[in-house]
Amino acid sequence: AQSVTQLDSHVSVSEGTPVLLRCNYSSSYSPSLFWYVQHPNKGLQLLLKYTSAATLVKGINGFEAEFKKSETSFHLTKPSAHMSDAAEYFCVVLNTGGFKTIFGAGTRLFVKA
Amino acid sequence: NAGVMQNPRHLVRRRGQEARLRCSPMKGHSHVYWYRQLPEEGLKFMVYLQKENIIDESGMPKERFSAEFPKEGPSILRIQQVVRGDSAAYFCASSPPAGNTGELFFGEGSRLTVL
Repeated sequence: AQSVTQLDSHVSVSEGTPVLLRCNYSSSYSPSLFWYVQHPNKGLQLLLKYTSAATLVKGINGFEAEFKKSETSFHLTKPSAHMSDAAEYFCVVLNTGGFKTIFGAGTRLFVKA
Repeated sequence: NAGVMQNPRHLVRRRGQEARLRCSPMKGHSHVYWYRQLPEEGLKFMVYLQKENIIDESGMPKERFSAEFPKEGPSILRIQQVVRGDSAAYFCASSPPAGNTGELFFGEGSRLTVL
């Protein structure tokens, strides 16, 4: 069975400093992995997805994530945080049946001026 | 090109009343998913529907909750005899007919408050 664990419930960074949001997954097969962002009182927006092509995936707003099979990780990074990045971020794995997406508990990112 | 539309955005009900949440998927999408988000928690899968069919309802509570996606009209999540624990944000997502490639398009959610 697939599962996904986001290692930090809250991350706080200063504007202009790097962002690292950590995600580990468990899957018996080559997974499809995603990061979504949710701004307050809004729906979720896809940031990026990994579907067994390049292991380094670039997404919107300067975010990227690297799939590391040996570490079963899919951490989300951004070189320089912006105030508008403050939001909740969800790591997601697609189950082997192909229709049920399993969400991590989320990481809330705070950006200090 | 309208996105996923959910209404109402906010709904207040007293215990024992019924709540109906509606979701219109993106144009051309025939797959609809409902998720529930409790405060400070992630999204929990509830049900996956295609037109006129429930594909997977493994996340739905066994009682009081039902969902449908008729041939015409929006998908509806219905909660009968609401209790305080039903207070949450309910999100609908849709995907195109090719099935779930994992990329889901979300509505902005319906926030249910049970008094």
